[in-house]
Amino acid sequence: ELKVEQNPLFLSMQEGKNYTIYCNYSTTSDRLYWYRQDPGKSLESLFVLLSNGAVKQEGRLMASLDTKARLSTLHITAAVHDLSATYFCAVDYYQLIWGAGTKLIIKP
Amino acid sequence: DAGITQSPRHKVTETGTPVTLRCHQTENHRYMYWYRQDPGHGLRLIHYSYGVKDTDKGEVSDGYSVSRSKTEDFLLTLESATSSQTSVYFCAITDRLAGGTNEQFFGPGTRLTVL
Repeated sequence: ELKVEQNPLFLSMQEGKNYTIYCNYSTTSDRLYWYRQDPGKSLESLFVLLSNGAVKQEGRLMASLDTKARLSTLHITAAVHDLSATYFCAVDYYQLIWGAGTKLIIKP
Repeated sequence: DAGITQSPRHKVTETGTPVTLRCHQTENHRYMYWYRQDPGHGLRLIHYSYGVKDTDKGEVSDGYSVSRSKTEDFLLTLESATSSQTSVYFCAITDRLAGGTNEQFFGPGTRLTVL
């Protein structure tokens, strides 16, 4: 059974700090996606990672993919309150298999 | 905005009643998906469609059926709703062109409560 595990599931941090969310998966795949969801809202695509070593950056967020380690990371640099949301990774294995999500709260 | 709407946006119903949720897209995407979202589970695939009248089951298809008679509409039916089907339901679309990505774009969601 394909498993996608995110950790941490909950993260409370101060503005200005750096942190990393991890997404581990249990089967071979070279495609992984990151999404953001605000409370009560839909999911918004953040990053599409399509090969080993892929790195994408948007503002204070940077995502990377290591297919050999079956690991993707979402790094937050100098966090700001507006980044508070739940972040999901999804592994492409015929269909998208989703992690449980990481709820990120950034305090002023 | 990927041109996806869902209706209704909220619904409260009673156990045993049939319920149909609608997903409508305006961009002629081939693939359409129905997911449910529950706390602690991320998203779980219910059914998907890869063309008109072409559908297949996902991970949690029991108790659900779907139909796609037009490219733009994908219907999800709960034949006899149960309390365990209380959830938020999302529709998603993608093209999945050959060699392309499976990046999916989501509708606004339907919050369903089964009493």
